[in-house]
Amino acid sequence: DQQVKQNSPSLSVQEGRISILNCDYTNSMFDYFLWYKKYPAEGPTFLISISSIKDKNEDGRFTVFLNKSAKHLSLHIVPSQPGDSAVYFCVQVGGGSEKLVFGKGTKLTVNP
Amino acid sequence: GAVVSQHPSWVICKSGTSVKIECRSLDFQATTMFWYRQFPKQSLMLMATSNEGSKATYEQGVEKDKFLINHASLTLSTLTVTSAHPEDSSFYICSARAGTGGSGNTIYFGEGSWLTVV
Repeated sequence: DQQVKQNSPSLSVQEGRISILNCDYTNSMFDYFLWYKKYPAEGPTFLISISSIKDKNEDGRFTVFLNKSAKHLSLHIVPSQPGDSAVYFCVQVGGGSEKLVFGKGTKLTVNP
Repeated sequence: GAVVSQHPSWVICKSGTSVKIECRSLDFQATTMFWYRQFPKQSLMLMATSNEGSKATYEQGVEKDKFLINHASLTLSTLTVTSAHPEDSSFYICSARAGTGGSGNTIYFGEGSWLTVV
C-alpha cells in the first residue's frame, strides 16, 4: 500500500523565519518526490522535486531533504514570505503508470 | 515553463445534464494526462489516467460511464461528467507530463475547474 502522510494539517510562522514542512511515506519502491503549492481555487503549482540519488535539492529559498532510511522528507522555506501562504502537498510518484500519490497537505500561513 | 490550461474555470449545471471540461497542454505534447478531483478540505484524488489514442485507465471506485475521458490528441484531454448530480460538485484538476516518460519528468497541473451541480 502506497501512502504519503503529512501529519501537520497546518503550520504558522513569522515572516523571515524558516518554514519546515514534513512528509512521511510507506512504500520505498517509488522514491521520487514532488512538492506542490496550491492556492485556494487554483491548480497545484510545481515547486521542487527530489529523487533517491540525492538527499538534498535546493532551489532558491526552497530546499527539500530526503531521508530514505527514515522514509521521510521535508521542505524548508527560508526566509518565509507572506506570499508563501498556501497549502503544500507532498507527492510520491508511482512507478509504471506515473500515478501520483498525494499527502493531505499542510496549510502554511506566514504572518507579516 | 510548460503550461496546462483548463476550461471552463467555473461551471454550473442542472442536475441530470452533462458537462465537459477541457485540459490542454499549451506548449508541449502530453501522451499522458491525469484527472483529479478534490473535495473541500481533502487531498487531490486521482480519478483516471488518460492516454492519447487509447482508453483511459480509471481508479478503483470511479465510474467510467459517468466520467467519460477522451484524449483525442497529444495536447487535449476532455472529461465529461454525464448525468451530473449535486454530489458530483467538486474541483476537478487535470495534469500532464512533459517529456517522454519516466519519473524524471515534471508533471504540470491545470488551473482546475469548479463544477457546481444544482
